[in-house]
Amino acid sequence: KQEVTQIPAALSVPEGENLVLNCSFTDSAIYNLQWFRQDPGKGLTSLLLIQSSQREQTSGRLNASLDKSSGRSTLYIAASQPGDSATYLCAVRPYGNNRLAFGKGNQVVVIP
Amino acid sequence: GAVVSQHPSRVICKSGTSVKIECRSLDFQATTMFWYRQFPKQSLMLMATSNEGSKATYEQGVEKDKFLINHASLTLSTLTVTSAHPEDSSFYICSARVGATYEQYFGPGTRLTVT
Repeated sequence: KQEVTQIPAALSVPEGENLVLNCSFTDSAIYNLQWFRQDPGKGLTSLLLIQSSQREQTSGRLNASLDKSSGRSTLYIAASQPGDSATYLCAVRPYGNNRLAFGKGNQVVVIP
Repeated sequence: GAVVSQHPSRVICKSGTSVKIECRSLDFQATTMFWYRQFPKQSLMLMATSNEGSKATYEQGVEKDKFLINHASLTLSTLTVTSAHPEDSSFYICSARVGATYEQYFGPGTRLTVT
């Protein structure tokens, strides 16, 4: 069974610092990995999708890397802003499985 | 990115009544949609997978007669909570998958409160 772990569970950083969020998964047989953002009381917003053949994806200040063999992904947010405060969820899609396996999230607070 | 809408965003109902939640993919066709439930400060729990034109596949422990799912078209799936009870109060989120990339997009969620 695929298990996804996100560390740290919660963190606070001052505005302007770079954010590094870690995600690990136990089974490297994945189709893809997705990072999401969730604001309180809201749905999930897809941030980045990395296919299993890719090593990283970038969108603006966000960069996500994937090391499938070691079962790790890192979401990097440059020059954090208070608007980046949210919970960030990592999810992997195992091969041959319809279901995304979610981590419990990194709850981020960016302090102005 | 693709947009998924949900309606209503909030609903309060009395115990024993039924509530229908709609999930629509606005700018793409989704052969597969998913229904999740989320408790406070918890991650998402998959309830069922909904395939257009066929019966939904329910996760273990989810009562199919209580949570009725209909995926009648490529852009619409509905979840009906039948004979709702206070313990059904939760945040329900739907998701639709893009076939080509297997990327999933999520709706804004529906907050259900059963009194």
